[in-house]
Amino acid sequence: QQQVKQSPQSLIVQKGGISIINCAYENTAFDYFPWYQQFPGKGPALLIAIRPDVSEKKEGRFTISFNKSAKQFSLHIMDSQPGDSATYFCAASSQTGANNLFFGTGTRLTVIP
Amino acid sequence: DAGITQSPRHKVTETGTPVTLRCHQTENHRYMYWYRQDPGHGLRLIHYSYGVKDTDKGEVSDGYSVSRSKTEDFLLTLESATSSQTSVYFCAISELTGTGELFFGEGSRLTVL
Repeated sequence: QQQVKQSPQSLIVQKGGISIINCAYENTAFDYFPWYQQFPGKGPALLIAIRPDVSEKKEGRFTISFNKSAKQFSLHIMDSQPGDSATYFCAASSQTGANNLFFGTGTRLTVIP
Repeated sequence: DAGITQSPRHKVTETGTPVTLRCHQTENHRYMYWYRQDPGHGLRLIHYSYGVKDTDKGEVSDGYSVSRSKTEDFLLTLESATSSQTSVYFCAISELTGTGELFFGEGSRLTVL
């Protein structure tokens, strides 16, 4: 049973466009929502993260929007660049337990020049 | 980059043979994790460790065992490999619990014929 549901599975965006990836969860105990970026042949790396006490967090061109009542969160990549082409994973964890992250199934983003 | 080394990076083996994957860290982080990555499933936690000789199961632990005799080393063993264990295995480390920030190794690709 997938704890975190992610969509779309793949995404193609023109350079300069906005990339949007969505995630949803059911477990209301989740209180930490990171996004990881993975390039081919590499391990995932933390991109940006949010806690449910805020509805939005922005770091450069990357923004997380969080809707606690809907149990949804999304990643927005503004002014998408070819270098952003990678696989993106949303994840969720709870303060209780050993920092166990539950990952979404991933979105392969391709930014066309 | 976090000092995480996985070995071997690639391995091909036959069904029924034992396999051990090694994760070595130089960061002295307390927590260590083994994930597997499969298309359509994202990353799933196999086992984790919260200290020397302290380990626990993740969501897909059947068929796997782990050991941690030193802070820096976390071993994943497949006692009798099956084709369903063909996957890319990632080791991850973290310093604190609850933050969700994991640092991943570069992965070990295992093929079971």
